[in-house]
Amino acid sequence: DTEVTQTPKHLVMGMTNKKSLKCEQHMGHRAMYWYKQKAKKPPELMFVYSYEKLSINESVPSRFSPECPNSSLLNLHLHALQPEDSALYLCASSQDHRKETQYFGPGTRLLVL
Amino acid sequence: AQSVTQLDSHVSVSEGTPVLLRCNYSSSYSPSLFWYVQHPNKGLQLLLKYTSAATLVKGINGFEAEFKKSETSFHLTKPSAHMSDAAEYFCVVVTSGTYKYIFGTGTRLKVLA
Repeated sequence: DTEVTQTPKHLVMGMTNKKSLKCEQHMGHRAMYWYKQKAKKPPELMFVYSYEKLSINESVPSRFSPECPNSSLLNLHLHALQPEDSALYLCASSQDHRKETQYFGPGTRLLVL
Repeated sequence: AQSVTQLDSHVSVSEGTPVLLRCNYSSSYSPSLFWYVQHPNKGLQLLLKYTSAATLVKGINGFEAEFKKSETSFHLTKPSAHMSDAAEYFCVVVTSGTYKYIFGTGTRLKVLA
């Protein structure tokens, strides 16, 4: 099973709201990733967690706050977002950060009004 | 530094005809290369990967790719296109050291009936 699940599928939020995106995998993977994808563009890496510790932050604004409560779960907390943050947010996982094959979830389509 | 170039932003083929999606890479060492497919409003699905084993790599859904070091290419092919192949295709090279994905800009495949 190479399934990564993400909830919710769609999210609409105002600029003053606080919301969270959730990602889950049960493949025993120890690396998890958040990507942001704008329309007609490739995904852009935001964060990497390795063994539940943040290992890479690609200079992402602090209004995005990742959290890895355990090895199966990855959250992305959103606060005071801007309309330009509207995008598809993809989660991925890999066996560990040095094992290169990443498996992607279906994404959360976020609209910030 | 590693990089990847997808030579065509759009490719149109008729159903039942061959598919060729082109990808060239730049890497100072033997790279790991991937092809992913993304159907509209979906996540990325792994098609195939090259990790220095056989140079001809077979993937899912009848796709295959050939690693050619002399040409620094990793083109994706399929003998006979199906309507369900219409999607965005991304070529990916993995950076050394940080193991980050470097995405190509994508090729949108259109399959005509």
